[in-house]
Amino acid sequence: KAGVTQTPRYLIKTRGQQVTLSCSPISGHRSVSWYQQTPGQGLQFLFEYFSETQRNKGNFPGRFSGRQFSNSRSEMNVSTLELGDSALYLCASSLGSLATYNEQFFGPGTRLTVL
Amino acid sequence: DQQVKQNSPSLSVQEGRISILNCDYTNSMFDYFLWYKKYPAEGPTFLISISSIKDKNEDGRFTVFLNKSAKHLSLHIVPSQPGDSAVYFCAAYSGGGADGLTFGKGTHLIIQP
Repeated sequence: KAGVTQTPRYLIKTRGQQVTLSCSPISGHRSVSWYQQTPGQGLQFLFEYFSETQRNKGNFPGRFSGRQFSNSRSEMNVSTLELGDSALYLCASSLGSLATYNEQFFGPGTRLTVL
Repeated sequence: DQQVKQNSPSLSVQEGRISILNCDYTNSMFDYFLWYKKYPAEGPTFLISISSIKDKNEDGRFTVFLNKSAKHLSLHIVPSQPGDSAVYFCAAYSGGGADGLTFGKGTHLIIQP
């Protein structure tokens, strides 16, 4: 079974631009969560999508948004990029929603650099 | 305010010996805990978990202990192998997963030959 895939793996943008990251979950998984990893803050929860609906959201500004498609694939969008948005963005999928404490399977991440 | 703390950024252990990684938490609402392992350029990989109704869970060379009164958990790896060299993250769920997984900042385990 193929694992979680994320595209692109690396991305360089400039301040003020917007970016869209993509995540394909493991086949059959219906929940997709996004995390931001930075050296200072570690891994922080962004949001979870389950059955095309945002279920939960972490403490991030509205510039961070996402969506999930009917095939469970998910995209994350960051608008008006700031230097502090430079990070590794990880996507994780699970069979059920986080409400049932499912084990999450992580993708390799997208490394975003904002100049 | 960090709710999950891994106070040792790195740990060096000799091959064949026991590795003990520690994790403390402050949020008493956490009721499910997990350990993840991460190699460079890869996403975290699930290792082992424990529910707050238990105090120990074992899976092969990996054992997780939970001390709820002390808000402390530990991961024991016996015996340690070179392939265990990686960053280990402690993570916790609370409130039916509404906050996602809350992670510690990780401990870099180095297994020396």
